[in-house]
Amino acid sequence: KNEVEQSPQNLTAQEGEFITINCSYSVGISALHWLQQHPGGGIVSLFMLSSGKKKHGRLIATINIQEKHSSLHITASHPRDSAVYICAVTKGGGGADGLTFGKGTHLIIQP
Amino acid sequence: NAGVTQTPKFRVLKTGQSMTLLCAQDMNHEYMYWYRQDPGMGLRLIHYSVGEGTTAKGEVPDGYNVSRLKKQNFLLGLESAAPSQTSVYFCASSYISGGAEETQYFGPGTRLLVL
Repeated sequence: KNEVEQSPQNLTAQEGEFITINCSYSVGISALHWLQQHPGGGIVSLFMLSSGKKKHGRLIATINIQEKHSSLHITASHPRDSAVYICAVTKGGGGADGLTFGKGTHLIIQP
Repeated sequence: NAGVTQTPKFRVLKTGQSMTLLCAQDMNHEYMYWYRQDPGMGLRLIHYSVGEGTTAKGEVPDGYNVSRLKKQNFLLGLESAAPSQTSVYFCASSYISGGAEETQYFGPGTRLLVL
């Protein structure tokens, strides 16, 4: 069983829709990361959070430590949001042991 | 700042050949990582380094070696390439703030095809 699970694997939506991507993890963590990978391949960090909620523009990330669950929301989705969204965790202890990744959610926003 | 750069961007190797992938960062980051990304597998950690002169194994280290002789560079070597090492390789770096690691910055990736 993967330590980080994402759902859905694929998501197609219409422009303007509210998008939710879910991430569950089964290990102790010191932080959870949401990353974005565009078709060109580059990976960009969107959020790093250890509790509560963060917002950046139309993106919102939440985490529930007790339930070991995080969500990434996109409001007023736009075709430029089409990308692979990857959930990753830094395992407990806070040491620099690298990230453990989910397999990603492939999001397509249609005009 | 260039951020994290990787050389080369794309390479084709024959089975048994060797090569070195170079990662460079100009942000004075302590931590550096090598990941590989394969379809259906997601990203996986190969090796990492918490400082100049130190390296450690990640999840999938077999067939790879690394060196960090300078703080800004992290090299990934394949001594005898195998088709199973066909992948996209990403380097990343990060720093410590308040005793905890901060977000990671990724390079653009190196596509490697082993025939």
